[in-house]
Amino acid sequence: QKEVEQNSGPLSVPEGAIASLNCTYSDRVSQSFFWYRQYSGKSPELIMSIYSNGDKEDGRFTAQLNKASQYVSLLIRDSQPSDSATYLCAVRETGGYNKLIFGAGTRLAVHP
Amino acid sequence: NAGVTQTPKFQVLKTGQSMTLQCAQDMNHNSMYWYRQDPGMGLRLIYYSASEGTTDKGEVPNGYNVSRLNKREFSLRLESAAPSQTSVYFCASSERDPLETQYFGPGTRLLVL
Repeated sequence: QKEVEQNSGPLSVPEGAIASLNCTYSDRVSQSFFWYRQYSGKSPELIMSIYSNGDKEDGRFTAQLNKASQYVSLLIRDSQPSDSATYLCAVRETGGYNKLIFGAGTRLAVHP
Repeated sequence: NAGVTQTPKFQVLKTGQSMTLQCAQDMNHNSMYWYRQDPGMGLRLIYYSASEGTTDKGEVPNGYNVSRLNKREFSLRLESAAPSQTSVYFCASSERDPLETQYFGPGTRLLVL
């Protein structure tokens, strides 16, 4: 059974700090990784995707991928209260047609 | 452009009743998906349709059936609802390219008593 593991949190950070969200996965040949944000009572929305080792930056968000360690992370710089949400890590299943395996999510709380 | 729409938003069923959850997308996407989300368990794939006319089982298909009615619509049917099917159900769609984003509908909250 292929798995995606995340710390459920809550991860509490002060406004303006860097929030670091982590995800590990069991499928060693996975190639595509995604971070979705889900506000309470709402549907998930994609915020970042990453396919190559290293860092990918988009505004205040940076995704980091280390395939050797089977580890992907999301950094949120200058965290705002509006970033308070659950962040879902998703990994494309190898050999599956656009089938994603989701982690249970990490709840982030940014306090003023 | 509504994106992905789902009906109903909320439903209460008694054990053994049947119902169909409807999903439609107006983005001309080829692939569509049904997920369920339970507390502490993330999103789990029930069924998916890679293209019009095809459907395949996901991780948790037991107790469900699907129909890809046309390119726009993908329905999920519970033939005999059970309390274990109490969940939030999300429909999603994506273009044919496997690296494309999946877009999610607003969800259906289902309570089975």
